[in-house]
Amino acid sequence: KAGVTQTPRYLIKTRGQQVTLSCSPISGHRSVSWYQQTPGQGLQFLFEYFSETQRNKGNFPGRFSGRQFSNSRSEMNVSTLELGDSALYLCASSSLVSSINEQFFGPGTRLTVL
Amino acid sequence: GENVEQHPSTLSVQEGDSAVIKCTYSDSASNYFPWYKQELGKGPQLIIDIRSNVGEKKDQRIAVTLNKTAKHFSLHITETQPEDSAVYFCGGGADGLTFGKGTHLIIQP
Repeated sequence: KAGVTQTPRYLIKTRGQQVTLSCSPISGHRSVSWYQQTPGQGLQFLFEYFSETQRNKGNFPGRFSGRQFSNSRSEMNVSTLELGDSALYLCASSSLVSSINEQFFGPGTRLTVL
Repeated sequence: GENVEQHPSTLSVQEGDSAVIKCTYSDSASNYFPWYKQELGKGPQLIIDIRSNVGEKKDQRIAVTLNKTAKHFSLHITETQPEDSAVYFCGGGADGLTFGKGTHLIIQP
């Protein structure tokens, strides 16, 4: 079975721009969660989608949004980028809701905001 | 919401010795506690998890213990090997996972 794939792997943007990251979960998985990883804050939960519905949302501003398609693929969008948005963005998929089941992480998208 | 604290942030042990990483949580409703290992350049990978109705779980050299009364849980790695060097994250929650900030485990040869 193919693992979780994320595209692009690396991205460089400037302040004020917007960015869209993509995640393809493991085949058959219906839950997709997104995390922001920075050296100082560790893994911070952004949101979880299950069957195209947002189940949970972390404590991030409205500039961070996401969606899930009928094939379970997910995208997250960050508008009006700030320097502090530079981070590794990880996507994880799970066969059931992620909060109580094993999550399979992708390799991440490294976003640099200049 | 849930708050998960993880200690230490860095742990250096001699190869063959044991390593212990500790986490505390705040929400008594939390019922699922996973541990993830992240190697350089890769996403985290689940190594062991425990649910609130169990006090201890073992898988070869890895064990996790849970004390619900004190709201803390620990990861124990015995007979450490160089490939155990990585960053380890603990998580906790009932409807949405919160992760600790990670422990960088260094195995000294």
